[in-house]
Amino acid sequence: DGGITQSPKYLFRKEGQNVTLSCEQNLNHDAMYWYRQDPGQGLRLIYYSQIVNDFQKGDIAEGYSVSREKKESFPLTVTSAQKNPTAFYLCASSMDRTSGNEQFFGPGTRLTVL
Amino acid sequence: GNSVTQMEGPVTLSEEAFLTINCTYTATGYPSLFWYVQYPGEGLQLLLKATKADDKGSNKGFEATYRKETTSFHLEKGSVQVSDSAVYFCALSDANYQLIWGAGTKLIIKP
Repeated sequence: DGGITQSPKYLFRKEGQNVTLSCEQNLNHDAMYWYRQDPGQGLRLIYYSQIVNDFQKGDIAEGYSVSREKKESFPLTVTSAQKNPTAFYLCASSMDRTSGNEQFFGPGTRLTVL
Repeated sequence: GNSVTQMEGPVTLSEEAFLTINCTYTATGYPSLFWYVQYPGEGLQLLLKATKADDKGSNKGFEATYRKETTSFHLEKGSVQVSDSAVYFCALSDANYQLIWGAGTKLIIKP
């Protein structure tokens, strides 16, 4: 089955720790995205990548970092610089840049800072 | 700049009721418009889309028509079911092919 997987489903972090969220897709999509979702709010774009070894900041990139070493993988690191990291994180992909409006989503990772 | 405004939720309806979730947008040019649905604890799924004025997107009994004159893309369904309970997001694509999202509307259907 083609799709997007995110792991883990739930993640707990102590203050001051960095954590990395995994996102893998086997859809052969060029573009990948990370969003943050807070209760009662829409999705906010953290980072996106249109091609391997290239990525751009979204609206709320501060305190986050990404890499895109392989087409199928786009991990997100939440650093200790992120002031309020507790949220639901969604990864998405689209066929290419011009298909960015038809995005396919993973099941999400819920991060809680203790 | 570009923006999407949705009606606030939650919207609570009885089974078999008629559903309307309002969505209006502000954009330059002629963006494509989308409705995505998020079931509890899951990621989002594309529900329907429309790419030009007067287009009607439809899927699973849901419909939305791209109204350029009123800059609207309201979601409708004639008879809702308990399984339609979810959060619905309206979105538009900007000139860079990125999605601009509404805040989401939670729909609760009571049996």
